Amino acid sequence: EPEVTQTPSHQVTQMGQEVILRCVPISNHLYFYWYRQILGQKVEFLVSFYNNEISEKSEIFDDQFSVERPDGSNFTLKIRSTKLEDSAMYFCASKWADSNQPQHFGDGTRLSIL
Amino acid sequence: KNEVEQSPQNLTAQEGEFITINCSYSVGISALHWLQQHPGGGIVSLFMLSSGKKKHGRLIATINIQEKHSSLHITASHPRDSAVYICAVRSNDMRFGAGTRLTVKP
Repeated sequence: EPEVTQTPSHQVTQMGQEVILRCVPISNHLYFYWYRQILGQKVEFLVSFYNNEISEKSEIFDDQFSVERPDGSNFTLKIRSTKLEDSAMYFCASKWADSNQPQHFGDGTRLSIL
Repeated sequence: KNEVEQSPQNLTAQEGEFITINCSYSVGISALHWLQQHPGGGIVSLFMLSSGKKKHGRLIATINIQEKHSSLHITASHPRDSAVYICAVRSNDMRFGAGTRLTVKP
């Protein structure tokens, strides 16, 4: 069965550095998402992306964050000037169509900011 | 007040028991999701509901739109069902519950 894959599985970065989290959604999917889960807390929506543009974003998704689909397969989340509080598990998800379709999640990238 | 409330927060059951996890929400939604998060952190989508009831294997999910309530049932529970079960609702964006940690003992 096709899967959403995320790399790396664990990223350790110095505070202030930029980090790029990578996701390869399922190949025929059209809608893409990033979520974050700080250790011990709820999953939080960050952003959704469709037709090469952001369709929705949360209050968390400020100017520090950006997303890109640089080619036909990758979907990336860039975090500029990382802060300690950016340490979290970041999940990518994708789905084929907007309504009545479940999202398929990747296994997540654990981001640790030192 | 959280927009998505789950109960119980933690649940321990013996193998074979019937499990119910509840989710209440306070916003208008277009769909409700039940997700399973394994100890390693990975998330699996179990159900997406906008009305009625869905069944998959030993799992059953129901939703009552008027009461803004959903339940996830597990029949004949098994230790491999041990995970965190998360309710999430699609409103303007996705809002998640805090999860219910289920432990099924052999």
